[in-house]
Amino acid sequence: ETGVTQSPTHLIKTRGQQVTLRCSSQSGHNTVSWYQQALGQGPQFIFQYYREEENGRGNFPPRFSGLQFPNYSSELNVNALELDDSALYLCASSRTGMRGTEAFFGQGTRLTVV
Amino acid sequence: SQQGEEDPQALSIQEGENATMNCSYKTSINNLQWYRQNSGRGLVHLILIRSNEREKHSGRLRVTLDTSKKSSSLLITASRAADTASYFCATDPRYNQGGKLIFGQGTELSVKP
Repeated sequence: ETGVTQSPTHLIKTRGQQVTLRCSSQSGHNTVSWYQQALGQGPQFIFQYYREEENGRGNFPPRFSGLQFPNYSSELNVNALELDDSALYLCASSRTGMRGTEAFFGQGTRLTVV
Repeated sequence: SQQGEEDPQALSIQEGENATMNCSYKTSINNLQWYRQNSGRGLVHLILIRSNEREKHSGRLRVTLDTSKKSSSLLITASRAADTASYFCATDPRYNQGGKLIFGQGTELSVKP
């Protein structure tokens, strides 16, 4: 167990809807990153939050947005869901906003868009 | 696009044998990390090797890094059925923002009892 918890574990949404995924980071970690993993693929970086601000973003459209709270927990919001958004969404926490530290992942949220 | 390319894509061995997985990447890195994933669940961090390190050990795991060839290998010795999982390498590129990790496609390891 990494101490990173994600909720919900599974979710089914209809195309066009909006979804919010939640992540509680490991104690002592102040950086949260979100990844999307399609079936049979490696995870793709969505964005990272450090001290409540976005610290970097991957190649994802603006309908993917996020928040980090003072307790370092985080949310991933996806608007106008598309079928291709169906994937495992992984949250990772790390100790600092600097590079060079291990990232610890939660169990993920399996999102299915129908 | 993925920076890491892993080889082989799938590997099937008998319990007790060694398993070797390779990872190649394209740009200079700060470090390279290996992760394990069981049945589409979360990623478990195995080991981190920094760009100035050449080899690292952790239990039955041995990781090597060759920055001149931009490649890394993960060796699992005396494999067990419980090692059956997908294994991913992830690079922390030197010239990127936001501390993102770039993952390969993974190697699917099957260890038969």
